[in-house]
Amino acid sequence: GAGVSQSPRYKVAKRGQDVALRCDPISGHVSLFWYQQALGQGPEFLTYFQNEAQLDKSGLPSDRFFAERPEGSVSTLKIQRTQQEDSAVYLCASSPGGGRDSPLHFGNGTRLTVT
Amino acid sequence: AQSVSQHNHHVILSEAASLELGCNYSYGGTVNLFWYVQYPGQHLQLLLKYFSGDPLVKGIKGFEAEFIKSKFSFNLRKPSVQWSDTAEYFCAVTPSGGAGNMLTFGGGTRLMVKP
Repeated sequence: GAGVSQSPRYKVAKRGQDVALRCDPISGHVSLFWYQQALGQGPEFLTYFQNEAQLDKSGLPSDRFFAERPEGSVSTLKIQRTQQEDSAVYLCASSPGGGRDSPLHFGNGTRLTVT
Repeated sequence: AQSVSQHNHHVILSEAASLELGCNYSYGGTVNLFWYVQYPGQHLQLLLKYFSGDPLVKGIKGFEAEFIKSKFSFNLRKPSVQWSDTAEYFCAVTPSGGAGNMLTFGGGTRLMVKP
């Protein structure tokens, strides 16, 4: 497709389970971002890739969160031993470059519910 | 670190009413400013952006925003809203000269326009 694709759209996990969220950016886009959006709040930055290099992971809330983009295209956000506070919409965004003139294209997100 | 505050969480207007959504940011240096919109069931989309120059910027669908440096504000305006403007609106900021499109978002304002 033409846009950023995220899967699954919805994920329900029991507390303690591991989950993996996938992001397919727009083909050729260099930059890829993950954001976490809790209910009623704005998106919060998690991590940023330029090609396969993870340049910033300062927003990852704990060492249970791990992201990778091994071939510089598809990215996976993994959450180990999920907790209820991990419930949120996880947004992926990509852009052609890394500068300010490079607009972000967002996916529809994955809504994670931890029970 | 920068932060963004949107004081109005929910706004309800009738069609043809004028709109102004507040956005204030906190950061010690120069910034790039953005407004994003999320229509129901859709992904975040860029509405308009300010980098430098004329502090009054015009975006899509008749929206405009004014950067007032002395007030650290970037309020969004539209003279006459339509039912189709019902959406959630997010203000965002990124430091100039940093990773150009790594955004910090405000908490969002949910706008409902009554027909």
